[in-house]
Amino acid sequence: AQSVTQLGSHVSVSEGALVLLRCNYSSSVPPYLFWYVQYPNQGLQLLLKYTTGATLVKGINGFEAEFKKSETSFHLTKPSAHMSDAAEYFCAVNGLGDDMRFGAGTRLTVKP
Amino acid sequence: DAGVTQSPTHLIKTRGQQVTLRCSPKSGHDTVSWYQQALGQGPQFIFQYYEEEERQRGNFPDRFSGHQFPNYSSELNVNALLLGDSALYLCASSPKGAGGPYNGYTQYFGPGTRLTVL
Repeated sequence: AQSVTQLGSHVSVSEGALVLLRCNYSSSVPPYLFWYVQYPNQGLQLLLKYTTGATLVKGINGFEAEFKKSETSFHLTKPSAHMSDAAEYFCAVNGLGDDMRFGAGTRLTVKP
Repeated sequence: DAGVTQSPTHLIKTRGQQVTLRCSPKSGHDTVSWYQQALGQGPQFIFQYYEEEERQRGNFPDRFSGHQFPNYSSELNVNALLLGDSALYLCASSPKGAGGPYNGYTQYFGPGTRLTVL
C-alpha cells in the first residue's frame, strides 16, 4: 500500500527566506508524486508533479521539488517566500492502479 | 473555460438524514473522483467514476454512494448521516482518455462542499 508522510504539520518562515516542506513516500510500484496547495475555503490547486524523467520538477509560483528514489523523498522548496505563499500544502502519491493518497498537510506561515 | 464546479457550497444536516452533493467536471474531462477532507487532515479517496460506473473505491462504507451521468457530471450521496461525516467534500476531474486519474494525470479539484452534521 502507498502512503505519504509530511514532516511538520506547521512551518513558519520569514518573508524572503527559503521554504522547505518535507514529504516522504512509501510505494511498492514506481510512484507518481504531486504537491497541491490549498488556500482557506478553497479546493486544491496543483503546484507540480513527478511522473517520469527529470527528477527536479519545476512548478508554478516558483516552487520546485526533487524526486529522490534512494531517500523515498519528494521535498518541496522555494528560494524566497512571499506572503501570498501562506497556505496548506499537501503531498500526494499514486501508482498505476492505485488510488491517490494524500499526506496530512503542512501549514505554511510567512512572517513579514 | 469553467473549472470543476460543486454545489451546494455549504450544507447543514442532522444525524440520520441523507444528503446529495453535485459536481460538474472541467470541460473535456470524463473521470470524476470524490474525496472527504476532515478538518485538519488531508483528503481521503472515496470513489472514482468513469464511463458512468464506479471504477475504484476507497475505505468508505456503503452509506456513501455515487452516480455519474452521461454528461460526466456526478453526484455523491450519503445516507444515515453521522456526526463524523462532517467534512469538506471535494470533487476532482481528469482529462478524457486518461483512463482514470491514477496514471499520473493531473486531477483538477473543485472548491468543495462543506457538510456539517448536527
